[in-house]
Amino acid sequence: DGGITQSPKYLFRKEGQNVTLSCEQNLNHDAMYWYRQDPGQGLRLIYYSQIVNDFQKGDIAEGYSVSREKKESFPLTVTSAQKNPTAFYLCASQQGLGNIQYFGAGTRLSVL
Amino acid sequence: KNQVEQSPQSLIILEGKNCTLQCNYTVSPFSNLRWYKQDTGRGPVSLTIMTFSENTKSNGRYTATLDADTKQSSLHITASQLSDSASYICVVSSDSSYKLIFGSGTRLLVRP
Repeated sequence: DGGITQSPKYLFRKEGQNVTLSCEQNLNHDAMYWYRQDPGQGLRLIYYSQIVNDFQKGDIAEGYSVSREKKESFPLTVTSAQKNPTAFYLCASQQGLGNIQYFGAGTRLSVL
Repeated sequence: KNQVEQSPQSLIILEGKNCTLQCNYTVSPFSNLRWYKQDTGRGPVSLTIMTFSENTKSNGRYTATLDADTKQSSLHITASQLSDSASYICVVSSDSSYKLIFGSGTRLLVRP
C-alpha cells in the first residue's frame, strides 16, 4: 500500500518535553514537508526538504527541528521551546516542482 | 506578497443542491492551482490541479475553473451529497519555489 504514513495518530506532551513525530513515504518523492493546522485554520508550513540531507525553514519553524537522513523519512521534533504545540500536524511529499502534493493522515498533538 | 484568498469562509447547503467556492490569488510566477478536500481530522486529498493553459478540469461532481488573467478560480460542486461536507482548500504553486501558498479554506456543510 503506497503512500505517506504518520505516527502516532495521537500524541501527548508533558511540560518541558521534546516529542518526535514520524513521517515515512514509499512514493520515492524527493520533497517532503511538515505543516501545522490549528482548529478552524489553514495549513502553515513548518519545514520542508527538497532532497536528502537538506531542509529549509518554513513560516513557523521556531520551536521545531527536523532531519532528512533518508529519502523516505522526515521526522519532526517538537521541542520544549515550542510553547503552544497543541495542533494537528500534517506531513506531505511531492515529486519535483509543480506536481501534486500528497498528505499523510496527520498526528494530533496535545499538551498534558 | 504571495497570497491566496478564499470565499466564503463557510457555507451551508441542502443535499442535492449545487454550490460554487471561490479562490483569488496573487502568486508570481504562477505554476499551477490545486483544489484539495479535507475531511475533519484527516489529511487533504487532491481534487484537481490546473496549469496556466487549462480553463476547466473535472473530477466527478467537482469542476474547477481557472482564469489566469484575473487570477481567479472556482470549484463547483454538483448535486451535493452529505459526504461533501468538508473543508475545501485552494493552493497555488509557483515556478520558482517548492513552497506552496495555501488559502485558509472554505468549510462546507451539506444538510439532509
